[in-house]
Amino acid sequence: ILNVEQSPQSLHVQEGDSTNFTCSFPSSNFYALHWYRWETAKSPEALFVMTLNGDEKKKGRISATLNTKEGYSYLYIKGSQPEDSATYLCALDTGRRALTFGSGTRLQVQP
Amino acid sequence: NAGVMQNPRHLVRRRGQEARLRCSPMKGHSHVYWYRQLPEEGLKFMVYLQKENIIDESGMPKERFSAEFPKEGPSILRIQQVVRGDSAAYFCASSPPARTNSPLHFGNGTRLTVT
Repeated sequence: ILNVEQSPQSLHVQEGDSTNFTCSFPSSNFYALHWYRWETAKSPEALFVMTLNGDEKKKGRISATLNTKEGYSYLYIKGSQPEDSATYLCALDTGRRALTFGSGTRLQVQP
Repeated sequence: NAGVMQNPRHLVRRRGQEARLRCSPMKGHSHVYWYRQLPEEGLKFMVYLQKENIIDESGMPKERFSAEFPKEGPSILRIQQVVRGDSAAYFCASSPPARTNSPLHFGNGTRLTVT
């Protein structure tokens, strides 16, 4: 059983704060790492798919880094806005296309 | 450019009945995945299908659950003789027939309630 862990479980920040979350995974099983954003009552939406050690991806105020040797990825949000409130999921692809998801980090941004 | 369509959005079944959940992938996508979210838990992989083929069903319960993706029409997740423990949100996702680093595109889910 693959263990994909995310921390913290939940986070409350003020508007304008920058924040980051962690996703850890077994490095021996790595093929690709996905990040998704999941707003309440909507469907998960893809943010990034990362495949290379040292990879950095950016989308607006959100960025992610990847360390495949030690088995972790960080997601950063710069200058959080209330509309960033969502659950952020990471998922490990071992090459079988059947993603193993972490439990997510629930972010709440207070105006 | 319709996304992944799932229906129904909500489904209520009595114990012992059958539940059929439908998923139409995005246009051009030939790979379909079913995930289940039990209350207070994360998304758990159930099955991965291509047209007329089950590729990976390692996450499917051994009994009562089946899935298909016929040549024509949507993918169907079928649960026979439902029990209360089957109450969950069932999400379908699709991806194009490309490299494994394509992101998944999710539907809005079907919330199954077994009474």
